[in-house]
Amino acid sequence: GENVEQHPSTLSVQEGDSAVIKCTYSDSASNYFPWYKQELGKRPQLIIDIRSNVGEKKDQRIAVTLNKTAKHFSLHITETQPEDSAVYFCAALTGGGNKLTFGTGTQLKVEL
Amino acid sequence: DAGITQSPRHKVTETGTPVTLRCHQTENHRYMYWYRQDPGHGLRLIHYSYGVKDTDKGEVSDGYSVSRSKTEDFLLTLESATSSQTSVYFCAINTGSPRETQYFGPGTRLLVL
Repeated sequence: GENVEQHPSTLSVQEGDSAVIKCTYSDSASNYFPWYKQELGKRPQLIIDIRSNVGEKKDQRIAVTLNKTAKHFSLHITETQPEDSAVYFCAALTGGGNKLTFGTGTQLKVEL
Repeated sequence: DAGITQSPRHKVTETGTPVTLRCHQTENHRYMYWYRQDPGHGLRLIHYSYGVKDTDKGEVSDGYSVSRSKTEDFLLTLESATSSQTSVYFCAINTGSPRETQYFGPGTRLLVL
């Protein structure tokens, strides 16, 4: 089955700096890659996603890039703000189905 | 919140007792999922459903069963709860627009003593 690895597990940045979280996947048939943000005690919320026919997608301060050849995708957050502090999860849709496999999460802390 | 509710939101139970968690959706989406979330493991799929009475196992299905007798309700049952099943349980739905996108319910925090 699909295996998704996520790095780093924790990330601390200064306010205004950029943050990058990286994920790799194993199943070359995976074709959909969402990112979720989870604040403490809350549900995971979808923040951005990308499909395998696209190399990059942006939404204001966040962007996701996908390298299908290398089977990795990354989340980029620019001009970080304290409210960006949360746990971020990447996921990959297993080929042929409707099941997501999640990475183990990255705790992002934005320091003032 | 995509019209998803979970009940109960918190539960404390004892080892060996049966527990049923309920996920309810208001918009008749076909796909529903149960995940558990534990530190260091992210979100792991327990079971999912692709229609009334149609269910399948996820990666951590041992000790869990599910039922879906109505489109709007997806039940997760721990037949005999164990301490290793202490976790936060999230239900999710696939809205089908886009096809793959999943949205999560508010979660149920379960403590098995």
